[in-house]
Amino acid sequence: KAGVTQTPRYLIKTRGQQVTLSCSPISGHRSVSWYQQTPGQGLQFLFEYFSETQRNKGNFPGRFSGRQFSNSRSEMNVSTLELGDSALYLCASSVTGAQDTQYFGPGTRLTVL
Amino acid sequence: DQQVKQNSPSLSVQEGRISILNCDYTNSMFDYFLWYKKYPAEGPTFLISISSIKDKNEDGRFTVFLNKSAKHLSLHIVPSQPGDSAVYFCAATGGMDSSYKLIFGSGTRLLVRP
Repeated sequence: KAGVTQTPRYLIKTRGQQVTLSCSPISGHRSVSWYQQTPGQGLQFLFEYFSETQRNKGNFPGRFSGRQFSNSRSEMNVSTLELGDSALYLCASSVTGAQDTQYFGPGTRLTVL
Repeated sequence: DQQVKQNSPSLSVQEGRISILNCDYTNSMFDYFLWYKKYPAEGPTFLISISSIKDKNEDGRFTVFLNKSAKHLSLHIVPSQPGDSAVYFCAATGGMDSSYKLIFGSGTRLLVRP
């Protein structure tokens, strides 16, 4: 089985721009979660989707949004980028999302200049 | 409020010896715990998990112990190998507020010396 894939792997943007990151889960997985990893804050939960519905959301500003499509693929969008948004953005998928092992993709490294 | 804590930022162990990584949590509603291993610029790789109904789970060289009364879990790696050198994260999930998401500790960097 193919693992979780994320595109693009690297991205450089400037302040004020917006960005869209994509995640394709493992086949058969319907839950997709997004995390932000920064050196200072570690791995922080952004949001989780299951069957196109957001079931949980972390403590991030409204500039961070996401969605899930009927094929379970997910995208996250960050608008009005700030320098502090520079991070590794990780996507994870699981079968159900609850008491279930989440498998991570390689991440998208976003740099905001 | 850090609900999952890994108080040791780093650990150095001789090859062949046991590595013990510790993790504490504060939320008694957590009911599923996981350990991940992470290399730089890569996503975390799942190692082993344990449900709150168990106190031990073993998979090859990796064993996770859960002490619910102490809200403490640990990962034992025996024997340790140089390839085990990485950052290890514990994570927890469960309860009304933390369902469908993983709460991660800050990680412990393990170095296994040849």
